[in-house]
Amino acid sequence: DAKTTQPPSMDCAEGRAANLPCNHSTISGNEYVYWYRQIHSQGPQYIIHGLKNNETNEMASLIITEDRKSSTLILPHATLRDTAVYYCIVRVGPSNTGKLIFGQGTTLQVKP
Amino acid sequence: GAVVSQHPSWVICKSGTSVKIECRSLDFQATTMFWYRQFPKQSLMLMATSNEGSKATYEQGVEKDKFLINHASLTLSTLTVTSAHPEDSSFYICSPYRNEQYFGPGTRLTVT
Repeated sequence: DAKTTQPPSMDCAEGRAANLPCNHSTISGNEYVYWYRQIHSQGPQYIIHGLKNNETNEMASLIITEDRKSSTLILPHATLRDTAVYYCIVRVGPSNTGKLIFGQGTTLQVKP
Repeated sequence: GAVVSQHPSWVICKSGTSVKIECRSLDFQATTMFWYRQFPKQSLMLMATSNEGSKATYEQGVEKDKFLINHASLTLSTLTVTSAHPEDSSFYICSPYRNEQYFGPGTRLTVT
């Protein structure tokens, strides 16, 4: 079973920041938090991952709480093309070949 | 970088026939290959994990004799759905791993 909990759906206005929460209260010390998204009928797309520290790349920022029991993915300026299902995943197993187990994800609808 | 292709992108077959899906990592060598399937309006479900030259490890509930996985090289893996039935209709996604996990665009299988 997936080790994360996400709200099933969220709306966001175009141009505004989208903040997607994720709970992973049973995360182990050496497990990473990964975020992927899936646009309809396509394969998942990697967004970002982190262990303890906050991370930022050209797509998004990842904020991980100090106790690592939850995190937030931030899309700073959401566009209509960001409408997708966003998956928060805790990597199970060794860090180099651990399986990615997908939960139900959050369907983000960006509205004009 | 990290280009993954799947062929075919969609296929329709008759019940009882077999279908082979190819997954290629075009610009990297994948040490591990994951295969997922996704039913409509559901999340991705991991089916099996394979390492190049080794037998695949199947997740609980996935029939290894029905879903044949071959990972003969570091750039090619195949999934063969044998004696397909309508309930095997799904979206099949390969996910090669090399330092990070990437995803193919998926193959839509419809069994009539």
